[in-house]
Amino acid sequence: AQTVTQSQPEMSVQEAETVTLSCTYDTSESDYYLFWYKQPPSRQMILVIRQEAYKQQNATENRFSVNFQKAAKSFSLKISDSQLGDAAMYFCAYRQPFRVQGANSKLTFGKGITLSVRP
Amino acid sequence: DGGITQSPKYLFRKEGQNVTLSCEQNLNHDAMYWYRQDPGQGLRLIYYSQIVNDFQKGDIAEGYSVSREKKESFPLTVTSAQKNPTAFYLCASTFGRGPTTNEKLFFGSGTQLSVL
Repeated sequence: AQTVTQSQPEMSVQEAETVTLSCTYDTSESDYYLFWYKQPPSRQMILVIRQEAYKQQNATENRFSVNFQKAAKSFSLKISDSQLGDAAMYFCAYRQPFRVQGANSKLTFGKGITLSVRP
Repeated sequence: DGGITQSPKYLFRKEGQNVTLSCEQNLNHDAMYWYRQDPGQGLRLIYYSQIVNDFQKGDIAEGYSVSREKKESFPLTVTSAQKNPTAFYLCASTFGRGPTTNEKLFFGSGTQLSVL
């Protein structure tokens, strides 16, 4: 079974600084998706970034980028120029793509990291 | 606008009572999911459905039941057998199997269930 581990329960960053959130996962599959979701105090889940395992290039979305190390099964999220609005809980998640024959469509989440931003 | 609607936002359950959480989507998505969120536990999958009239147990299905009679609707019943139902419940949906590259999971705004 696939597992996702976020070992740091809390992190803090100074406004305008850069912070990296860690995530590791375990799978025997070669084709899969990895995601980072943000959950602000409103508790609405927001997709931050997505990475396809077969793509070697790290995904980037504005101030958010990932460091995807497939061999090490590591998927960290870097937030540059941190803003007060970045304060939230961040979840790492894993799923097989639907194009894989017999793939299970369920999304497996880590336990989350609470990020606080100091003004 | 398309989206997922969960209701109610807050729900209270008495001892021995079954309660049903509603989830409706107008995104024409095939797959729908129910997750439970407890503090410090992340999101855990309760049930999911990839097609109408079919659903599978997730990791913590005991004490819960679902139905998928319509593509748009995936209600979750928390039965009296669920001894610790207090949690935040999230419904989600996505396009099912098929030649699509859009595999984003859309979430509802959640239901907070508490025990009286």
